[in-house]
Amino acid sequence: DQQVKQNSPSLSVQEGRISILNCDYTNSMFDYFLWYKKYPAEGPTFLISISSIKDKNEDGRFTVFLNKSAKHLSLHIVPSQPGDSAVYFCAASGNTGNQFYFGTGTSLTVIP
Amino acid sequence: DTGVSQDPRHKITKRGQNVTFRCDPISEHNRLYWYRQTLGQGPEFLTYFQNEAQLEKSRLLSDRFSAERPKGSFSTLEIQRTEQGDSAMYLCASSLTGGYNEQYFGPGTRLTVT
Repeated sequence: DQQVKQNSPSLSVQEGRISILNCDYTNSMFDYFLWYKKYPAEGPTFLISISSIKDKNEDGRFTVFLNKSAKHLSLHIVPSQPGDSAVYFCAASGNTGNQFYFGTGTSLTVIP
Repeated sequence: DTGVSQDPRHKITKRGQNVTFRCDPISEHNRLYWYRQTLGQGPEFLTYFQNEAQLEKSRLLSDRFSAERPKGSFSTLEIQRTEQGDSAMYLCASSLTGGYNEQYFGPGTRLTVT
């Protein structure tokens, strides 16, 4: 049973525009959420995180929004750059951090 | 900080053979995790260690799989009697102890069972 879902397998965005990647979760016990970026033949790289006490966290061009009532989070990348082209994974965990549950990923292509 | 390293990066083996992978975590991290990733999927949790103690194992970790972290530093993951279904990317990650700490991943070991 997939507890973290990314329903868009792929997304294409023009350079300079906003990229919005979405993620839904089912387990109400999750209270820590992360986004990872993955290039081919490399391991996932941590990008940004948010705990359930917040609804927004910003780091440079990257902002994560959390809507607990809808069990939904999103990653905004503004402005998008060609180097952002990668697969993005959403992950979630409970407050023990024992394991992360990952979505299936969204492949982002930023077109120059 | 040299990051998480894994060895080998690629392994091709014949069905029925045993394989062993190694992971070296970030030195100050006392938690170490193993994940498996297949094509089109996100990483799936296998097991994790707090120092040398293996504290949790997924039901994905069949009895052919064994993981160790003997001195609380590097870890090994062994798969005995490999099957074609074991073909996947095996990822290692490490983190500090506690709930709200991100996990840092190594580059992975790509296993192909022929």
